[in-house]
Amino acid sequence: AQTVTQSQPEMSVQEAETVTLSCTYDTSESDYYLFWYKQPPSRQMILVIRQEAYKQQNATENRFSVNFQKAAKSFSLKISDSQLGDAAMYFCAYRSTNTGNQFYFGTGTSLTVIP
Amino acid sequence: EAGVAQSPRYKIIEKRQSVAFWCNPISGHATLYWYQQILGQGPKLLIQFQNNGVVDDSQLPKDRFSAERLKGVDSTLKIQPAKLEDSAVYLCASSPGSPNQPQHFGDGTRLSIL
Repeated sequence: AQTVTQSQPEMSVQEAETVTLSCTYDTSESDYYLFWYKQPPSRQMILVIRQEAYKQQNATENRFSVNFQKAAKSFSLKISDSQLGDAAMYFCAYRSTNTGNQFYFGTGTSLTVIP
Repeated sequence: EAGVAQSPRYKIIEKRQSVAFWCNPISGHATLYWYQQILGQGPKLLIQFQNNGVVDDSQLPKDRFSAERLKGVDSTLKIQPAKLEDSAVYLCASSPGSPNQPQHFGDGTRLSIL
């Protein structure tokens, strides 16, 4: 089974600054999808950004962007101009394109935004 | 569009009792997932349905957990009998069939076992 590793249990960033959350994964597949989800204290998981493995261009969604390094199996999330509302748990997820299209989640990074 | 609906939002039971959770996915979503999320950890997949068939239940403790998705729409997850280590948030998610589509999550049910 694929594994997803988030090596930073906790991170903090000053408001308006930039922070990068790390994610690595292990797979033998060549085609797959990667996602970053945000889980605020209210608990509902919300999609932040997605990346297709066959695309070399890094995905960007407003203040959120990724650095996708396929050979290194790395998928980091960069949050620019951090806002108080960005405080949450962030989960990296891998989705297989094999039968079942299973999702695999990392253990999460808790992001604190300091005013 | 309406999101994934889950109920109840909170549940407190004593160990050895039974409990059931309900999930109504987004209309048209073929795939439904149940996750267990223990405090401070990432979601752990319990079971995945494709329409009304089971795709993956390898991490479902089948001696005490059961799930069904009748008619390929709503789903229920049951625990009987509950153990202390079952205290967690149970998340339901749904997605369309294609792999490039993300999951949409419900608010979850927070289960506390006394």
